[in-house]
Formats: sequence, structure tokens, C-alpha cells
Amino acid sequence: KAGVTQTPRYLIKTRGQQVTLSCSPISGHRSVSWYQQTPGQGLQFLFEYFSETQRNKGNFPGRFSGRQFSNSRSEMNVSTLELGDSALYLCASSLAPSGTYTGELFFGEGSRLTVL
Amino acid sequence: GENVEQHPSTLSVQEGDSAVIKCTYSDSASNYFPWYKQELGKRPQLIIDIRSNVGEKKDQRIAVTLNKTAKHFSLHITETQPEDSAVYFCAAPDSWGKLQFGAGTQVVVTP
Repeated sequence: KAGVTQTPRYLIKTRGQQVTLSCSPISGHRSVSWYQQTPGQGLQFLFEYFSETQRNKGNFPGRFSGRQFSNSRSEMNVSTLELGDSALYLCASSLAPSGTYTGELFFGEGSRLTVL
Repeated sequence: GENVEQHPSTLSVQEGDSAVIKCTYSDSASNYFPWYKQELGKRPQLIIDIRSNVGEKKDQRIAVTLNKTAKHFSLHITETQPEDSAVYFCAAPDSWGKLQFGAGTQVVVTP
């Protein structure tokens, strides 16, 4: 069974640009969560989608958005990039919603974004 | 929303000793508490979890304890080995089901 796949793995952007990151979940998983990881800040929750519906959203500005398609693949978009957006963006899929006992998160390897 | 606090931020232990990481949560509705391990350069992976109706759960050298009254839960690693060196994250869902992670604990096991 293929794991969670994230593309691109690395990308460099300049301030003001926008970026789209993609996540393909494990087959059969309907929940996709996104996290931002920076040194010292741990895993900051961005949003979670379940069956194409945004189930939860974290405390990030409106520049951060996402969506989920009917095949459960998900994308997140960051517009008007700022230097502080440089981070590792992790996507995780699960069978059930993430805050439940059957919602074990399976993480992808992440997309490392550098904003110059 | 849920606020999960994790301590310590770094923990250095000698091989063979025990390591304990503690987390507190704020939402009394939380009922599921997973722990994830992230080795250097790798993705986080679930190592153990506990439901709110259980006080303790063990899996070989790792165990998790939960005190719902005090709203804290802990990870215990016994007989630590070099491969236990990693960052460990605790997590808890808030009443909206949003899984929130602690800031992480860097565990270093020295020979």
C-alpha cells in the first residue's frame, strides 16, 4: 500500500508569490490534515478535510487555504508569501477524523518551503 | 480550543535509564491522547495512544499514563536505547475534534 505522497518536496519562492502544495493520501483514507512545522514551534494545525468538507481550521491567516477533491487528494495554497511562511508543510491522512481513536495520522515526508 | 503543553523541551538520558515526558491539556472533553515520534529527517509516526477510559497502557518499553482529573498524561520509556533518540509529540483533540500537538520533546540518549 503506497504511503502519503506530497509534492513538491522542496521549493523556493520569493515574497509576494503564491504556492500550491499537493497531498495524495493513502488509498481508502478520507481525512487529510495539514500541519506547519518550524523549529521550536512543533506541529501547528492548519486545517483538516474529511470527504471534501473542511472539518476544522487552525489559527492561520486567510492567505492559507485548502481543498479536497472527490478522490481525497488535497491541496493547500498560500498566497502573498511572507518570509515567516518558510517551513516544512506536512500532510497526514487517516481513515477517520484525526481526533478520534481510529484516526491514526499517517504523515507524508513534507514539502519544504523557503521564502526569500 | 485545546491547549497542549509539553515538558521538558529537551531531555538527555544515559542509555539504559528511563525517560518521562509530561503533557497537560485544557479541554475536559478530550478523550483520546496519542504520542508521535519523529526521528531526525523523518516523518512523525504514532507510537502509542490511550483512550480516556483507560489509566495506563503499555507496549514493550513504552507506556502512557493518563490522569483525567488533573488533565495530564505522560509517556514513559524504560531501558532507553540509542534508537529512542528523536522528537516526541503528545497530542489531544479539542471539543471540535481538532487534534492539537504539544511543542515536542527532543530526547537524546547518550551511550
